[in-house]
Amino acid sequence: DSGVTQTPKHLITATGQRVTLRCSPRSGDLSVYWYQQSLDQGLQFLIQYYNGEERAKGNILERFSAQQFPDLHSELNLSSLELGDSALYFCASSDGTGTDYNEQFFGPGTRLTVL
Amino acid sequence: AQKITQTQPGMFVQEKEAVTLDCTYDTSDPSYGLFWYKQPSSGEMIFLIYQGSYDQQNATEGRYSLNFQKARKSANLVISASQLGDSAMYFCAMREGLGGAGSYQLTFGKGTKLSVIP
Repeated sequence: DSGVTQTPKHLITATGQRVTLRCSPRSGDLSVYWYQQSLDQGLQFLIQYYNGEERAKGNILERFSAQQFPDLHSELNLSSLELGDSALYFCASSDGTGTDYNEQFFGPGTRLTVL
Repeated sequence: AQKITQTQPGMFVQEKEAVTLDCTYDTSDPSYGLFWYKQPSSGEMIFLIYQGSYDQQNATEGRYSLNFQKARKSANLVISASQLGDSAMYFCAMREGLGGAGSYQLTFGKGTKLSVIP
């Protein structure tokens, strides 16, 4: 158990809908990362938050947005869903310190299926 | 250009044998870190081993070791004494730079599916 929790584990929805994925980082971790794993794109970095502020953006679509709340949990919002958004969405956390190591701990993922 | 290349989509290894999973990387940043993760069929990502660009020695963690050849930009994972439970996808990933105030996103390769044969 990495200490990172993600809910829900599975989500099935229809095209055009909006969903929210939730992530609670490990206790004490300030950084939250979101990754998408799909068959065609592989594992891709979407976005990072550090202590409530957006820190880095990757290949995140404009239909997707995220935020990190004062209690450090994070939510990834996916809207106007398309079939191609079906994927496994991971949240990872790290303590965000300036150490070279800075391991990221991954949650179990949310499997999104868009029908 | 791909930043992380894993050239072996699939590998087979006999139980108790050693296996090497290849990973080459591309970066111009002098400070970087290389990670290997294991993803079993259940889907979770399990951290295996880390190598920093300034580390003088190859990293080892139990049965896992990293063959780090900096000049060749390769960071191959060696699993010794393979077990049936090692059957999984293995991903090589890179974190570039020290990131300043906390930017440490990982760039992943496409992975290698390892199958351990009894």
